[in-house]
Amino acid sequence: RKEVEQDPGPFNVPEGATVAFNCTYSNSASQSFFWYRQDCRKEPKLLMSVYSSGNEDGRFTAQLNRASQYISLLIRDSKLSDSATYLCVVRLYGGSQGNLIFGKGTKLSVKP
Amino acid sequence: EPEVTQTPSHQVTQMGQEVILRCVPISNHLYFYWYRQILGQKVEFLVSFYNNEISEKSEIFDDQFSVERPDGSNFTLKIRSTKLEDSAMYFCASITTPGPIGNEQFFGPGTRLTVL
Repeated sequence: RKEVEQDPGPFNVPEGATVAFNCTYSNSASQSFFWYRQDCRKEPKLLMSVYSSGNEDGRFTAQLNRASQYISLLIRDSKLSDSATYLCVVRLYGGSQGNLIFGKGTKLSVKP
Repeated sequence: EPEVTQTPSHQVTQMGQEVILRCVPISNHLYFYWYRQILGQKVEFLVSFYNNEISEKSEIFDDQFSVERPDGSNFTLKIRSTKLEDSAMYFCASITTPGPIGNEQFFGPGTRLTVL
């Protein structure tokens, strides 16, 4: 079973649309959760950490359900500049030195 | 804003050759990582490094790979005898401390390694 699974995408949406990405993780020892953004052939960049109570940063809202081992990202009012691949990422503890485990990513394309 | 830097941006090598990929982590960071991403695939952890020794390594990080922090600033990844399947983007990352809070790992821009 894959450690971090995401919607395969691609998601093609018009500007202004709301889009939601889902992610599940298999290891219950996962302790930290993130959404990273990766532009084509670039490095991953942190979009936001995901906290148990859920958190919002402008147009972006992240949710975590530990019982279901499920993470989500909601993007409201999509912009052309939101076009990228969104990576669901978890980090373990308990012996691990904090290396990140990445999902394969979901590609988002926002069209005018 | 401090950033992780990597050189070269693109390395082309012949199969069987040794390559050294270089990284300069952010200066006050204590933990360093190498990841790789084969084209079209997910980012994969290779190795973590702390206090001048390997903390953890994945099954990808076999005897052909080694890491070193030769001075106070550089962090290198060496591949002794490259294979075609080593072709990938290699990302260096650093963090102050992993901690329980969810500190951000900062990634360098990557080195694209092409093995011919």
